[in-house]
Amino acid sequence: DVKVTQSSRYLVKRTGEKVFLECVQDMDHENMFWYRQDPGLGLRLIYFSYDVKMKEKGDIPEGYSVSREKKERFSLILESASTNQTSMYLCASSLTGTSGYNEQFFGPGTRLTVL
Amino acid sequence: AQSVAQPEDQVNVAEGNPLTVKCTYSVSGNPYLFWYVQYPNRGLQFLLKYITGDNLVKGSYGFEAEFNKSQTSFHLKKPSALVSDSALYFCAVRDTGTGGFKTIFGAGTRLFVKA
Repeated sequence: DVKVTQSSRYLVKRTGEKVFLECVQDMDHENMFWYRQDPGLGLRLIYFSYDVKMKEKGDIPEGYSVSREKKERFSLILESASTNQTSMYLCASSLTGTSGYNEQFFGPGTRLTVL
Repeated sequence: AQSVAQPEDQVNVAEGNPLTVKCTYSVSGNPYLFWYVQYPNRGLQFLLKYITGDNLVKGSYGFEAEFNKSQTSFHLKKPSALVSDSALYFCAVRDTGTGGFKTIFGAGTRLFVKA
């Protein structure tokens, strides 16, 4: 089974702090994603990466950056946390494969609270 | 613009009754459609997908979905609901405008199955 792990289940930070969220997948997937999940808004894509050192902006990249130095690891960085970044953060990975697109496998999520 | 809509915020059904969770989509080109489920305090899990072929797709936990091209719908169904099916369900569509890497998620439908 594919396993996607996230470094923390719950995190509390103060406004202005730099926050790192780590995600690791163990199935050699090319693609990795960071979403935030807010009630009534579904999942919104922050950033994604289709290869090592490659990154693409999603729908809401402002206030976030990412890093993918190794294939299995995709980090989300909040440069200066703000209260409107309080949310559930979900990491996912997927295989490109022969069909060119496959389902995503999600981590358990990190609930971040910014005070 | 490509989009997916889940018209119901919440669906209530009695255990043993059939259930339907609705989804409509708008894409250019051939649709790649997905259903995911999120159980309480857990990440999203893939349920099923439609890429091509039979309009009725079978997935995990006894769920199935019917692809209807003329109505641009991809409703999730189960013949007999279980209390353990209570969860948050997301419909999703591949965003063909970004090389296929992105997925657009609906806002989610919360399913309550009453014993």
